[in-house]
Formats: sequence, C-alpha cells, structure tokens
Amino acid sequence: QQQVKQSPQSLIVQKGGISIINCAYENTAFDYFPWYQQFPGKGPALLIAIRPDVSEKKEGRFTISFNKSAKQFSLHIMDSQPGDSATYFCAASRGGTSYGKLTFGQGTILTVHP
Amino acid sequence: GAGVSQSPRYKVAKRGQDVALRCDPISGHVSLFWYQQALGQGPEFLTYFQNEAQLDKSGLPSDRFFAERPEGSVSTLKIQRTQQEDSAVYLCASSLNRASDGYTFGSGTRLTVV
Repeated sequence: QQQVKQSPQSLIVQKGGISIINCAYENTAFDYFPWYQQFPGKGPALLIAIRPDVSEKKEGRFTISFNKSAKQFSLHIMDSQPGDSATYFCAASRGGTSYGKLTFGQGTILTVHP
Repeated sequence: GAGVSQSPRYKVAKRGQDVALRCDPISGHVSLFWYQQALGQGPEFLTYFQNEAQLDKSGLPSDRFFAERPEGSVSTLKIQRTQQEDSAVYLCASSLNRASDGYTFGSGTRLTVV
C-alpha cells in the first residue's frame, strides 16, 4: 500500500528557475511532513518540515505548501542552483504517542542545469 | 561522534552467507531506526528501538532479518542466509526522541548479494 505518492519521478530545471515537487498522502493520522535531500552515496538529510496546522513554511529558498483538505503537500525550491541537484523525498509520520516511523515517497531526481 | 556512523560502507555477500551491519547512533539519542532503500526507491522502515527495547519490528521482511541494540547505543542488523532480493542500501537513523526531533541518517551500508 503506497501511503505517500510523490511526483514527478524526475525534474530538470534551469539555474535560477523554480523546482516544484508534489506529494499526496492517504493516512489522515499523519501530522508531520518532512522533506529530505539525498546526494549519491549519502543518507537522506532533513531539509524542511511542516505540521498541518500551518499552510506554508519557508526556510531560505525552500518552501513547503500544505493543503490539508486535499491531503497534499509540495516543496518549492526558488532560484534553483546546480548544487541543489539531488534526490528529494517527501515523508510523513503519525503524531500522538507514536515514536514517528516515517513513510517515504518514491523520490524525485532533480537536475539543475547551469 | 557528530553524526551517525555505519559500517561497513559496502558489503558483498555470496547468496546464503550471513552478514552483520553496524550502526553507531549520535550519543544520547534515544530512538534508533533501520530502513532499507532499494535502488531508485525511497527508504522503507524495518525496525525501531527506544534505548535497548525493540518496540517495532513490523517492517522486517522475513525471519532471516534480526536486529539488536543490547546496551541502548550501538545497533546491529543481521541478515541470515542472504538472498539476492536483500541487495539494497541499509540506512540507520537516530533521533533524540521522536521523528519531529529530526532524524539524522547515516550514509548507509550498500549490500550486494551475488
């Protein structure tokens, strides 16, 4: 059962452009939605995260938009740079007494051309 | 250390061989997770420890997989009688307590079963 669906699988953007990656989830018990960045040969690194009580969170060039009614959230990378070329994963976990097991999307390979 | 350390970085095993993968989490981190990442896919949850207690092993694919964390710090993931479908990157992550505290992933162990 694919609880978190991510699109697109791959994305090519020119330097300075906006990269947009989308995710949809099914489990309404999810209440923590992080995005991870992974470079080849490395483990995923937390980029930015959001909770459903806000619709948007911005950190530098990275913004998460969250639509609770549609059960969707997206990552926007403004002014994309070649150094942003990596694989991006959305994820979700349950709150409450849960310890926070993450369910990941399938990943998006982002290539930023100079 | 400053990060999560995993060893070995690469392991080639002959089918049927037993392997042991080690994870050194960040000192003081209560929660420790193992994930399996197949090529081109997002990480998938295997098991979770809170200190030395294994509270969730629902993601372990078969009884050939076994994990332990006897003293609440270092953890070992053991795979018995390896099969080709076990080939993947095995990621360890730790967090202070919950996922919302921020997971830190190690760089993983790439297991290739030949």
